[in-house]
Amino acid sequence: DVKVTQSSRYLVKRTGEKVFLECVQDMDHENMFWYRQDPGLGLRLIYFSYDVKMKEKGDIPEGYSVSREKKERFSLILESASTNQTSMYLCASRIGGALTGELFFGEGSRLTVL
Amino acid sequence: AQRVTQPEKLLSVFKGAPVELKCNYSYSGSPELFWYVQYSRQRLQLLLRHISRESIKGFTADLNKGETSFHLKKPFAQEEDSAMYYCALWSGGYNKLIFGAGTRLAVHP
Repeated sequence: DVKVTQSSRYLVKRTGEKVFLECVQDMDHENMFWYRQDPGLGLRLIYFSYDVKMKEKGDIPEGYSVSREKKERFSLILESASTNQTSMYLCASRIGGALTGELFFGEGSRLTVL
Repeated sequence: AQRVTQPEKLLSVFKGAPVELKCNYSYSGSPELFWYVQYSRQRLQLLLRHISRESIKGFTADLNKGETSFHLKKPFAQEEDSAMYYCALWSGGYNKLIFGAGTRLAVHP
């Protein structure tokens, strides 16, 4: 069974702190994604990665960075957290080169920045 | 511009009533469209895709290229259908899935 695991379900951080959100998939998928989910806005793509050490900006990359040192792991980094980054963060993966756009999602990490 | 529009934030119906969740898209080319669902406290998961032309949990969706729509329908809603539903468009050229804002379906007994 496909599995995408996000290490932290709930985090509370203070403004200015550095935040790491970790995501691991066990399906040997090449593509991985980070979205944020906000009421009324749906899911918006932050960053994605085609393969190891490759990354592309999504629609809202400002204030975020990512790291993909291993195929199974994709990390989202908030260098200096701000209150407007309070949100639900969803990680997803996909078979690279597949003709379909089907994504497999993690359970999400709810981040609150005080 | 590539865009997915779900005009309803909330759709509230009674059990046994028909359901239609609206989705319109903007895309130049041949679209690949999906419906994803998120039940309470569960992860977002694929419900159905237009390519498969399948019925999942009684839901169907037909791609109408003339109206650029991909509405999700079910003839008789069940309480367990209560969830958040997202319509999504795969942008192959940009290798990303574009989501609508979502519609919350509430089915009352």
